[in-house]
Amino acid sequence: DAKTTQPNSMESNEEEPVHLPCNHSTISGTDYIHWYRQLPSQGPEYVIHGLTSNVNNRMASLAIAEDRKSSTLILHRATLRDAAVYYCILRDVEDDKIIFGKGTRLHILP
Amino acid sequence: GAGVSQTPSNKVTEKGKYVELRCDPISGHTALYWYRQSLGQGPEFLIYFQGTGAADDSGLPNDRFFAVRPEGSVSTLKIQRTERGDSAVYLCASSLGTSPLVEQFFGPGTRLTVL
Repeated sequence: DAKTTQPNSMESNEEEPVHLPCNHSTISGTDYIHWYRQLPSQGPEYVIHGLTSNVNNRMASLAIAEDRKSSTLILHRATLRDAAVYYCILRDVEDDKIIFGKGTRLHILP
Repeated sequence: GAGVSQTPSNKVTEKGKYVELRCDPISGHTALYWYRQSLGQGPEFLIYFQGTGAADDSGLPNDRFFAVRPEGSVSTLKIQRTERGDSAVYLCASSLGTSPLVEQFFGPGTRLTVL
């Protein structure tokens, strides 16, 4: 399975944008980039996914490098509720399950 | 609408005992997944069902672990002869299918503690 590399933890101030990086240098052409997050004491929840083009939804934006070897999850205006572990995951079009790494623990400072 | 529910939310048992953990997926979701999460780690895949059949059980750590989904809806994860190393949060997820284009919806998990 293609792997991802994320920082163990990050800090950001409330009401400021947050950019969460993910490296995936061995990504294949059929790998989708997914992001899930896990709030304290909850199960993970889907955030966003993309293949080649940048994606936006109500929760976040996903910026994908032109060579697809890295991507960035962008929270436009962080709130305290965004404090969570964020997982960057690659899923091949044939993959039927999610393989999680350790993710990035995001701390939001009031 | 109702999300994925798991019962019990907490389970404390003694080493050597048998436990059952239940998952109620979102109605209509054909795919159901079980994961295990140890402290400080990401969820680890155990098994998934497509309908009633186990499509991939490659993540089950050994033959003490077994899961069923007899009617294609509710699933039960069964652990025999529990060991202290089985202590973890057991997560269940469901989805409309197994495609990577379909998101998985997770339950809150069952925290299992083996004394």
